[in-house]
Amino acid sequence: SQQGEEDPQALSIQEGENATMNCSYKTSINNLQWYRQNSGRGLVHLILIRSNEREKHSGRLRVTLDTSKKSSSLLITASRAADTASYFCATDSLSGGYNKLIFGAGTRLAVHP
Amino acid sequence: DADVTQTPRNRITKTGKRIMLECSQTKGHDRMYWYRQDPGLGLRLIYYSFDVKDINKGEISDGYSVSRQAQAKFSLSLESAIPNQTALYFCATSDHRTSRYSYNEQFFGPGTRLTVL
Repeated sequence: SQQGEEDPQALSIQEGENATMNCSYKTSINNLQWYRQNSGRGLVHLILIRSNEREKHSGRLRVTLDTSKKSSSLLITASRAADTASYFCATDSLSGGYNKLIFGAGTRLAVHP
Repeated sequence: DADVTQTPRNRITKTGKRIMLECSQTKGHDRMYWYRQDPGLGLRLIYYSFDVKDINKGEISDGYSVSRQAQAKFSLSLESAIPNQTALYFCATSDHRTSRYSYNEQFFGPGTRLTVL
């Protein structure tokens, strides 16, 4: 069963707009990670936020984590056409007696020039 | 040069054939993983290895086997390929030599697109 579920499944915006993607999960976590995947390529790590952190920034990326709501959001500001990709959250959590990193199904982001 | 390489990049095979996908890394990481990606389903873990002598089944290991020949090499085999194993396969690595109890950033290879006819 999936731990992280992204919302929305697909997002279409214009260049310059902000893009917000959400991730919800079910069990307690050690950390939550966001990855990006260009079509048919390998995933690239964007940012990791630990369970005791509430917000992290990296360039135009802002990630928040609300452990009480078991949710995270990824905000991409001033989007560019090159941001077009799928974005996945992955949760590091205890499952079946040991830690696992479980990926969600992803949000497909399309940024139009 | 790429830190995580996969061979082959594309493979078309027939039902019943044995297939091996190979992964090599130059990052010196201890952990290696094999994932499968199907459209709309995200990544699912097939097998993972914490070190050469520690190999574990993931979420969907049936029909697959692995071998960790060295710290830098982790191969995935499909003993008798079937059409529903058609997917994009990714190898990944991560470094846990200083943090054994949590998952750090994973580094992915470029993927192998496998088609089973």
